[in-house]
Amino acid sequence: TQLLEQSPQFLSIQEGENLTVYCNSSSVFSSLQWYRQEPGEGPVLLVTVVTGGEVKKLKRLTFQFGDARKDSSLHITAAQTGDTGLYLCAGVVGNNRKLIWGLGTSLAVNP
Amino acid sequence: AAGVIQSPRHLIKEKRETATLKCYPIPRHDTVYWYQQGPGQDPQFLISFYEKMQSDKGSIPDRFSAQQFSDYHSELNMSSLELGDSALYFCASSPDGSTGELFFGEGSRLTVL
Repeated sequence: TQLLEQSPQFLSIQEGENLTVYCNSSSVFSSLQWYRQEPGEGPVLLVTVVTGGEVKKLKRLTFQFGDARKDSSLHITAAQTGDTGLYLCAGVVGNNRKLIWGLGTSLAVNP
Repeated sequence: AAGVIQSPRHLIKEKRETATLKCYPIPRHDTVYWYQQGPGQDPQFLISFYEKMQSDKGSIPDRFSAQQFSDYHSELNMSSLELGDSALYFCASSPDGSTGELFFGEGSRLTVL
């Protein structure tokens, strides 16, 4: 059973556009992470959100954790070709540190 | 900064052969995870170790086994390899007291012919 629904699954945009990726669940997470993965490489941690309603910014990336800690979003402003990759959200339920993964959003930013 | 080291990076095996993947976690990280990722799929959790003891088990086939050694490195042993075992195998480590963040190695690509 997939507890984390990530959308959209695929996204192809032009450089300079904005985009938002969503991660939704019926479960409450103690923390949620966003990773970015390039082909043939391991996922790289971008951010961890812990507090409901939390907003974190990394340059052009804005991450938000829902008030109820059941959902999260990643917004990219003025996308660049270097943003191309697979974006994965992963949530931790309880204290067991086992990650529940979303299926990923494959982002292609075209020049 | 030191990262998670995995070896080998690429491995080609025949069906029914055996393969061993190695993982060296980031120093002072107490938990090691193994993941399998097929093409276009999200990482599938296989197994994890905390302080050299198995802490959690995911979708790891019975043909696979893993252990963590006294120096905290871990090995994933895969026997009776099948074509469907072809995938990227990632090791990740996590520090004690963290909120579950994983630091991944670059992966080992296994191809079974």
